[in-house]
Amino acid sequence: AQSVTQPDIHITVSEGASLELRCNYSYGATPYLFWYVQSPGQGLQLLLKYFSGDTLVQGIKGFEAEFKRSQSSFNLRKPSVHWSDAAEYFCAVGGNAGNMLTFGGGTRLMVKP
Amino acid sequence: GAVVSQHPSWVICKSGTSVKIECRSLDFQATTMFWYRQFPKQSLMLMATSNEGSKATYEQGVEKDKFLINHASLTLSTLTVTSAHPEDSSFYICSAPRTSGGEGNEQFFGPGTRLTVL
Repeated sequence: AQSVTQPDIHITVSEGASLELRCNYSYGATPYLFWYVQSPGQGLQLLLKYFSGDTLVQGIKGFEAEFKRSQSSFNLRKPSVHWSDAAEYFCAVGGNAGNMLTFGGGTRLMVKP
Repeated sequence: GAVVSQHPSWVICKSGTSVKIECRSLDFQATTMFWYRQFPKQSLMLMATSNEGSKATYEQGVEKDKFLINHASLTLSTLTVTSAHPEDSSFYICSAPRTSGGEGNEQFFGPGTRLTVL
């Protein structure tokens, strides 16, 4: 069975500081990996995805993530956080085309001025 | 990019009534759609897979008679919460996968429907 673990439930960083959100997955085959962001009361917005190829993927809003197969990780990073980045972040894993996604528990990011 | 809509965006109903939520893929066809449920401050949990032309597949613990799913066309799936109770209050999100070339699975999510049962 596939699973996703986001070890950090809450993270607080100062505006302008760097950010890394951790994601570990368990999947029996080649995973498709995603990071989504959700603002309160809103739907999900895709930040980036990894299907194959270059293990460092660039996303929107200055985010990037690195797929490390040996560590079963897909951590999300941003070099300088903005106050508008405060939100809930979800890592997800899926399989072949058309399959559902399994989500991690989410990490709530708070940004200090 | 592809767009998935949901209607209504929020609904308040009395206990015992039924509520229908629509999920539409606006610019692509989706033979499969997924329904997720999200309780406050929790993650998304898959409820069921909606299949065009066949019965929905429900996850363990989800009552199929309570959460009726109909995939009426290649662009529309509906979730009906029957005889709703306060514990059904939640945020319901649908998604539709669209394959694009050799890139495999890409899910497009609707904006969600907040259901409050009084």
